Amino acid sequence: KAGVTQTPRYLIKTRGQQVTLSCSPISGHRSVSWYQQTPGQGLQFLFEYFSETQRNKGNFPGRFSGRQFSNSRSEMNVSTLELGDSALYLCASSSIGGSTDTQYFGPGTRLTVL
Amino acid sequence: GENVEQHPSTLSVQEGDSAVIKCTYSDSASNYFPWYKQELGKRPQLIIDIRSNVGEKKDQRIAVTLNKTAKHFSLHITETQPEDSAVYFCAATNGGSQGNLIFGKGTKLSVKP
Repeated sequence: KAGVTQTPRYLIKTRGQQVTLSCSPISGHRSVSWYQQTPGQGLQFLFEYFSETQRNKGNFPGRFSGRQFSNSRSEMNVSTLELGDSALYLCASSSIGGSTDTQYFGPGTRLTVL
Repeated sequence: GENVEQHPSTLSVQEGDSAVIKCTYSDSASNYFPWYKQELGKRPQLIIDIRSNVGEKKDQRIAVTLNKTAKHFSLHITETQPEDSAVYFCAATNGGSQGNLIFGKGTKLSVKP
């Protein structure tokens, strides 16, 4: 099976702009989670989608949003970008997103906000 | 909510030595504890995981132990090799029916030849 894929791999934006990142899970996986990775804060959970519904959300402002499509592909959107949003955004897919499901990560999207 | 502490933040060993990384968690409802290895510029890769009904799991040179009473779990790498050099993250699920992972801050392991 093909692994988790993310597009684009790199993005450069300026403050105030918005950005949309895409994640395609492993075939057959229905749960997609998003994480933000920064040197200072490490890996932090953003939100999780299952069957087109957001089931769980981390402690991030409302500028961070997402959605999932019927084919399980997911997008996340960040509006009104701030310098502090510069990070590696990782998505992970799992079978059903249960509490003991293995999560497999994509290569990430490196977002730089100038 | 869940909180995961990981120690040490950096670890340097000689090739062939063993390396041990320790994590503690706060939520007694957590029941899944994966370990990920992340090489520079690459995605986190699952190397081993353990579920709460098991106390120890081994896969070749890698082993993980879990002490649910004390709420800590550890990664053991034996006969380390230079290619083991990477950042290692422990994680715990946040309990409940969904599995969002709460990560430790990571341990940078350097294996010197």
